Amino acid sequence: DGGITQSPKYLFRKEGQNVTLSCEQNLNHDAMYWYRQDPGQGLRLIYYSQIVNDFQKGDIAEGYSVSREKKESFPLTVTSAQKNPTAFYLCASGRDRMNTEAFFGQGTRLTVV
Amino acid sequence: KQEVTQIPAALSVPEGENLVLNCSFTDSAIYNLQWFRQDPGKGLTSLLLIQSSQREQTSGRLNASLDKSSGRSTLYIAASQPGDSATYLCAVNFYNQGGKLIFGQGTELSVKP
Repeated sequence: DGGITQSPKYLFRKEGQNVTLSCEQNLNHDAMYWYRQDPGQGLRLIYYSQIVNDFQKGDIAEGYSVSREKKESFPLTVTSAQKNPTAFYLCASGRDRMNTEAFFGQGTRLTVV
Repeated sequence: KQEVTQIPAALSVPEGENLVLNCSFTDSAIYNLQWFRQDPGKGLTSLLLIQSSQREQTSGRLNASLDKSSGRSTLYIAASQPGDSATYLCAVNFYNQGGKLIFGQGTELSVKP
C-alpha cells in the first residue's frame, strides 16, 4: 500500500538523550514535513524539505535536526537541546509545495522520562 | 502574519443532524485549502482538498466550499453519525509560505446517538 510510515509509535527519552524519529514514504513525493502537536496549540511546523539534500527550518526548529539523503526518507532527531520534547510528532508529504494534497503518517508520541 | 481560525472549538450534535464547520483565513492569496479529520491519538486523514480556482468539493456526505474573497471555507456534514466524532482541522497553503500548511486549531465534534 502507498503511504507514509512513522516509527516507532511510542518513544521514551531520558533527559539528555538524543532520539531519532523515522518517517518513510512510498508515494514518490518531493515535499516532506515534520509537525509537532501539543494540546491546545494545534500543529506547528518544525522542518520541511522540498527536494532531496535540501531542507528549511519551520517555526519551531530549535532543538531539532533533520536530514534528507533519500527522497523517501526524512528522519527527525530530537536533541538534548530541546527543553520540552514531550509531544505528538507528525510527518507529512506532498507531491510538491504548491497545488497538491498533503498526506500524514500515524504519528509518534514522544515522552521524556 | 497569516492565520487560520476555526470556530467553534467544540460542537456537540444529535445523530442525524446536518452541521457546518467554519474556517477563516487572513489572506486570499492561496494555492489551496485542505480539510482533515483526526481521531484521538492518531494521525490526520485528508478529507477534501479545494484548489484556489474551485468553489467547492464533495465526497460522500461531506461538502467543502471556498470563498477566497471573504477568506472563508465551510465543511458541511450531512446526516451526521456517531462515527463522525473526531477533531476536524482546516489547513491553508498560502502563496508566500513556500508550501507550508498553516493549520487552524480544529473543531472537536461529538455526535450523540
